[in-house]
Formats: sequence, C-alpha cells, structure tokens
Amino acid sequence: GQQVKQSSPSLTVQEGGISILNCDYENDMFDYFAWYKKYPDNSPTLLISVRSNVDKREDGRLTVFLNKSGKHFSLHITASQPEDTAVYLCAAGQGGSAKLIFGEGTKLTVSS
Amino acid sequence: GPKVLQIPSHQIIDMGQMVTLNCDPVSNHLYFYWYKQILGQQMEFLVNFYNGKVMEKSKLFKDQFSVERPDGSYFTLKIQPTALEDSAVYFCASSFRDNSDYTFGSGTRLLVI
Repeated sequence: GQQVKQSSPSLTVQEGGISILNCDYENDMFDYFAWYKKYPDNSPTLLISVRSNVDKREDGRLTVFLNKSGKHFSLHITASQPEDTAVYLCAAGQGGSAKLIFGEGTKLTVSS
Repeated sequence: GPKVLQIPSHQIIDMGQMVTLNCDPVSNHLYFYWYKQILGQQMEFLVNFYNGKVMEKSKLFKDQFSVERPDGSYFTLKIQPTALEDSAVYFCASSFRDNSDYTFGSGTRLLVI
C-alpha cells in the first residue's frame, strides 16, 4: 500500500504568499518526518526534518507541523519566492528501520 | 554541503546485458541506499546497506540485483541481466544514522533497450 501520500500533485502560489504542502501517512509507528526539495539537477535535498516528540519545527521561512493523531504533516513556506518553485517530497521513517518512505511529490509554482 | 556522487549520470544498455551503477557516498556516512524512480511515479526504496551487509530490501529488489561496497570504495548497484522494466532513474543516498537525514545523489538515468 501507499504508506506516504501527497494528495496534491501541484500547487500555485503568488509571490509573497504562504505555500502549504501536505502529506498523509498510514503507519503510526513512523517517528521521523522530513521534507525534501528536488532541484533542477534532480537530486532531492533535505529541507527540514522533525522527530515525533515535537509537533512543530521552524527554520527560517520553513515550518513543519506534525499532527500525529491525524497522521498528517505539512510544510509551510512563508514569503514564497520564485526560486521556491520545485517539486517537494515528503518522507517518513520508523525507528529501527533504515528506510525512508517517500510521497509522490507536489510541484510548487510560485508566480511573480 | 557534503555531496553524494553518482556515476554515470546516464546509461543506455541492451536488454540482457549487465550494468553497474556507482555511488560515492558522503565520507563519514555509515548507511547507504538505492531508490528507483520510474518516470511519472514516486521514488521507491530498493535496498539499504550497513556494515558491509544488506539490511533490508523491497520486493522491487529482484534476484538480478546486487549491491556491494568493497573496501570502502564505491557503493554499487549491479543488475545482471537487465530487463526493459529496469529503465528508471536510480538514486543513491547515504546517512550517518538510520532513520535520519539522507544526502542524495543526482541519480543515474538508465535506459534498457
């Protein structure tokens, strides 16, 4: 089954707005959650990650919100800029298993 | 920041031939991974590798696949023999700990004809 799901394949946001990317998961044993950005050379690059003992983590314009009861986590990008345009992948993992499960990706377009 | 290098970036190979995909992981990382992404689909876990051994593999990791990292050199994925359905982008990644932040390479685009 699809353990990690990004239901929105694409999202368009105006420059300066807030981009909200969502991810749902099935396995309630997941305790590590991450967001990756796919750059033009195609390599996924880690943006931000959280463990399940927190429900929010901020890093500059990025904030991850974790809703464990809803099996959902999201990435908020404030003051979105055209250079934020990319594919964003969410990922989740479980302690004791060296294996991250990735979502399908959401293509974010920030229009000026 | 530290990078994972994948060689080659592109490979075209005849069906039935052998191919080896090479990955130079981040130097102090201990865990290594291969993922497969078919065009238009999500990136899927193939296998992980730690302390010289495969720890876990998915059902996509067919008998024709093998991985190794002889003497701390490249971490390799070998496919022998290749099949048409092996055409995909193969991403290598490494991490210092399990269940933690990965560093990915840029992928090898494999086309089996």
